[in-house]
Amino acid sequence: DIQMTQSPSTLSASVGDRVTITCRASQSIAARLAWYQVKAGKAPKLLMFQTSTLESGVPSRFSGSGSGTEFILTITTLQPDDSATYYCQQYDFFPTTFGQGTKLDIK
Amino acid sequence: QVHLQESGPGLVKPSETLYLACDVSGYSVGHNYDWAWLRQSPGKGPEWIATIQPDGTASYNPSLMTRVSISVDSFNNQFHLWLSSVTAADTAMYFCATLLHANGWLSYFDYWGQGALVTVSS
Repeated sequence: DIQMTQSPSTLSASVGDRVTITCRASQSIAARLAWYQVKAGKAPKLLMFQTSTLESGVPSRFSGSGSGTEFILTITTLQPDDSATYYCQQYDFFPTTFGQGTKLDIK
Repeated sequence: QVHLQESGPGLVKPSETLYLACDVSGYSVGHNYDWAWLRQSPGKGPEWIATIQPDGTASYNPSLMTRVSISVDSFNNQFHLWLSSVTAADTAMYFCATLLHANGWLSYFDYWGQGALVTVSS
């Protein structure tokens, strides 16, 4: 299986900051990478697919980039509501696999 | 927009079979899209378990496929998960989800339920 490794595991930032979350694949994958936002007690939310395509309704403060084995989720102008755990998912190789998550805390 | 809600026993004894149902509203499980189960153990990322197409064709994670089964119930607009011979390692939050843009068996998960916590313990 493709291993997806996220860094950092935890992240603390202030309202208005810009943060980046990195997701590394154990082998090169095409652009078939998605990002999710998960809050306790709520349904996980799809943020982005195909590396950089924003899901409908997701603020443009969220953006994605990357290729090969390294992919990045960038959140600009952090808002209190962005406090959550973020997961990447590769859907290029069977079975699909997820990263272990990055917990973002808004100070 | 689709809404998904998991239901089932929160406690299952070791060696028994875990059963979960996912109630779907907004889409028809028998006509549209693919439907999936995933789970997440504490401190880990989500793990894909199985996906089923409206015609009943299913795909399973090789790590679980000897113990897992998924089915669609068009009459009640639900789909179901069975996981047999459970152990403490199967304790997790279980999620149902839908794939609106499936290409083969690989895609992202467009909508998820809130999850159902299942604990395996005697």
